[in-house]
Amino acid sequence: KAGVTQTPRYLIKTRGQQVTLSCSPISGHRSVSWYQQTPGQGLQFLFEYFSETQRNKGNFPGRFSGRQFSNSRSEMNVSTLELGDSALYLCASSFAGGDTEAFFGQGTRLTVV
Amino acid sequence: QQPVQSPQAVILREGEDAVINCSSSKALYSVHWYRQKHGEAPVFLMILLKGGEQKGHEKISASFNEKKQQSSLYLTASQLSYSGTYFCGQRTSGNTPLVFGKGTRLSVIA
Repeated sequence: KAGVTQTPRYLIKTRGQQVTLSCSPISGHRSVSWYQQTPGQGLQFLFEYFSETQRNKGNFPGRFSGRQFSNSRSEMNVSTLELGDSALYLCASSFAGGDTEAFFGQGTRLTVV
Repeated sequence: QQPVQSPQAVILREGEDAVINCSSSKALYSVHWYRQKHGEAPVFLMILLKGGEQKGHEKISASFNEKKQQSSLYLTASQLSYSGTYFCGQRTSGNTPLVFGKGTRLSVIA
């Protein structure tokens, strides 16, 4: 079956702009989580969605927002981009979230210049 | 709060064993282990639940000490394919998100 698909794979944006990243989970999975990965910081938790509801939010500024649609696809938006937002953004899908196996996408590499 | 992983990096020769530790300042509900190879997505290895239940791959061994709030991943007779960064994630209750540590970089050389 198809894996988790993230689009776009690479993105270059200018400071101050906004960006929207997309994540299509594995068919049948209702939970989507987002993580920011930077060198030396590991995987920093951003959001967790389940059946269109945000279940948890990480310690990121309000410029970071997300949503999940009825087909479980999820989007993440970052407004007023800063240089420090440059990172690999990973999404992970699972059937029910919680303590179930999560499948990660290849990520979107965002570079802010 | 991120769990603390140790060591940060380790180099092994094929056939050697390694232990990666993950500790928390909070009581743990579950611990998850993932491995990420360079340029690839993290891949699931194992989940250890409070109470002793484990879900994961048979060839992977791990422990979860609830009292000490720590987990260890045991890699025995390492192979070149074990190379990658290992992440432990923790949940402190049934409603909290999975929060990962900074990772342990494992390099296996011939």
